[in-house]
Amino acid sequence: NAGVTQTPKFQVLKTGQSMTLQCAQDMNHEYMSWYRQDPGMGLRLIHYSVGAGITDQGEVPNGYNVSRSTTEDFPLRLLSAAPSQTSVYFCASTLQTSSQETQYFGPGTRLLVL
Amino acid sequence: AQKVTQAQTEISVVEKEDVTLDCVYETRDTTYYLFWYKQPPSGELVFLIRRNSFDEQNEISGRYSWNFQKSTSSFNFTITASQVVDSAVYFCALSVSGGYQKVTFGTGTKLQVIP
Repeated sequence: NAGVTQTPKFQVLKTGQSMTLQCAQDMNHEYMSWYRQDPGMGLRLIHYSVGAGITDQGEVPNGYNVSRSTTEDFPLRLLSAAPSQTSVYFCASTLQTSSQETQYFGPGTRLLVL
Repeated sequence: AQKVTQAQTEISVVEKEDVTLDCVYETRDTTYYLFWYKQPPSGELVFLIRRNSFDEQNEISGRYSWNFQKSTSSFNFTITASQVVDSAVYFCALSVSGGYQKVTFGTGTKLQVIP
């Protein structure tokens, strides 16, 4: 299993540009989520999905769109990049069973918006 | 509104010492979930534990243990016999909506284990 993969690892954008951060998992997890991490602020939930076709907003959804057409993929779209979106983005998927629960994170995407 | 406070910004210990990372949370909900995560200097995030509000049993996993006390709204994390590989930023988090939705993270405690 590759686990959770994210691409790209690093990206520089100009203000106003759009882009998609890719996230994929091969563990057949239903629950996936996107976080951003900013210095001194911990992680903040952007969007999450409880299964294919179902998404919902987290704490800081403005400026971001998501879709979940398959169980495996959960892309995050920046519609019109702003310097405030400079951050490290983590995708996660969650294994939930009757006896255990574990969250797996991707390696992160470092985004710089100029 | 929910809040997670990790008052210890940075802690330094000498290898083999025990260390406790504090986490205090605030919520008005009676059903909630508490988490701990580890972020080593390499930057990846590692999920450590998830506990629900109805289970106050302490948990031990190897050198790691967690003490959940509803009376003081705390969910502290202890590392026994610390090792250099434990050096990382540790985050405590809280969710009140039944899982990872609407999760609130603390600002993290940076632990440095000195050889």
